[in-house]
Amino acid sequence: EVQLVESGGGLAQPGESLRLSCAVSGVTVSNKFMSWVRQAPGEGLNWVSTIYSGGTRLSADSVKGRFTISRDNSKNTLYLQMNFLRAEDTATYYCALGNSHGSSGYYDFWGQGTLVAVSS
Amino acid sequence: SYELTQPPSVPVSPGQPANITCSGDKLGEKYVSWYQQKPGQSPVLVIYQDKKRPSGIPERFSGSNSGNTATLTLSGAQAMDEGDYYCQAWDSNTVVFGGGTKLTVL
Repeated sequence: EVQLVESGGGLAQPGESLRLSCAVSGVTVSNKFMSWVRQAPGEGLNWVSTIYSGGTRLSADSVKGRFTISRDNSKNTLYLQMNFLRAEDTATYYCALGNSHGSSGYYDFWGQGTLVAVSS
Repeated sequence: SYELTQPPSVPVSPGQPANITCSGDKLGEKYVSWYQQKPGQSPVLVIYQDKKRPSGIPERFSGSNSGNTATLTLSGAQAMDEGDYYCQAWDSNTVVFGGGTKLTVL
């Protein structure tokens, strides 16, 4: 059974940092792409960042320069380093496991989400 | 930036068909995936690459994509199908989600 378990969320003040982790079990992630997708309270899904098996990173404009996605294939774990947090970053952050390649890619497994709240 | 537009809500009577649309410029030239999200739960993939169903997804779910519109069709809606549905596509190395459609089975 494939499982994705996020951790690291919590309350932060504007300008502070948090690091999210996503531990994957039941599948080897080394040849898959992985992403972070967030959902503000009562809102829809918004893509944050993607990392491919080869290390190529893609990010939404809203987080470029502040958030960094990384992965440790030996630990089957995905990370999101979030710096200079803003109130608008408040959301549930989902880790998602990608399948297929390029523009045909989709997410066949999702974590349960971890809540990040940014407030003074 | 690329946008995907969905109707905010779609009501349907039990056992009746329901169509949820997703519109975007030349969307038919892209692959579209659909996700179902129930309150308090994570999204679940129901359709990928326009019309393929993952294992475990009921046959009443189907998809199509042509021109500027992709459509998720439920052949006979059931109470358990209530929830929010999101379309997703790639554009210029970014992942785009539609705003979501709330399916209500009345």
